[in-house]
Amino acid sequence: NAGVTQTPKFQVLKTGQSMTLQCAQDMNHNSMYWYRQDPGMGLRLIYYSASEGTTDKGEVPNGYNVSRLNKREFSLRLESAAPSQTSVYFCASQWIAGVGEHTQYFGPGTRLTVL
Amino acid sequence: QKEVEQNSGPLSVPEGAIASLNCTYSDRGSQSFFWYRQYSGKSPELIMFIYSNGDKEDGRFTAQLNKASQYVSLLIRDSQPSDSATYLCAVRTGKTSYDKVIFGPGTSLSVIP
Repeated sequence: NAGVTQTPKFQVLKTGQSMTLQCAQDMNHNSMYWYRQDPGMGLRLIYYSASEGTTDKGEVPNGYNVSRLNKREFSLRLESAAPSQTSVYFCASQWIAGVGEHTQYFGPGTRLTVL
Repeated sequence: QKEVEQNSGPLSVPEGAIASLNCTYSDRGSQSFFWYRQYSGKSPELIMFIYSNGDKEDGRFTAQLNKASQYVSLLIRDSQPSDSATYLCAVRTGKTSYDKVIFGPGTSLSVIP
């Protein structure tokens, strides 16, 4: 199993450009998440999808859109990139191992720089 | 007040010592608590989960939860240089599988040989 995969691993954009970050998981998990990680800020939730066909906003959704294409894939789109969106982006999927035990498995991350 | 708080560190301990990492949370309805380890340039990985008050031990790791004080900690016994990483505390609120997990900012741990 590949687990959670993300593409691309690195990306440099100019202000105003658009791009889509791809995420896929092969663990048959229902829930998937997009986070951004900035120095000293920890992981902040952008959007999540509790199940195929549903998406909800997280803590920092402005400037982003998502699509849950199917159970495996959850993409994140930046329509008009801004320097404030320079960050490391992590996708995760969640498995419920037991009562309260919601384990998240993370992809390797995408390092995005917006100039 | 931030929902999940941790000392940013860096926390430095000598090899073989006990490292103690602390986390406080603001939502009294929080149900589940997690510790993730993140090596520099890598993605987070789960190392401990705790759901009930008290202690939970797994090898050299012990998680301690006190819901009345809204406090969760991670102890690492016999610290090794390979334990040097950032440790993220995460808290899940609510009782359904749809509830969000909130991460703290992380504590950087350095184990000195």
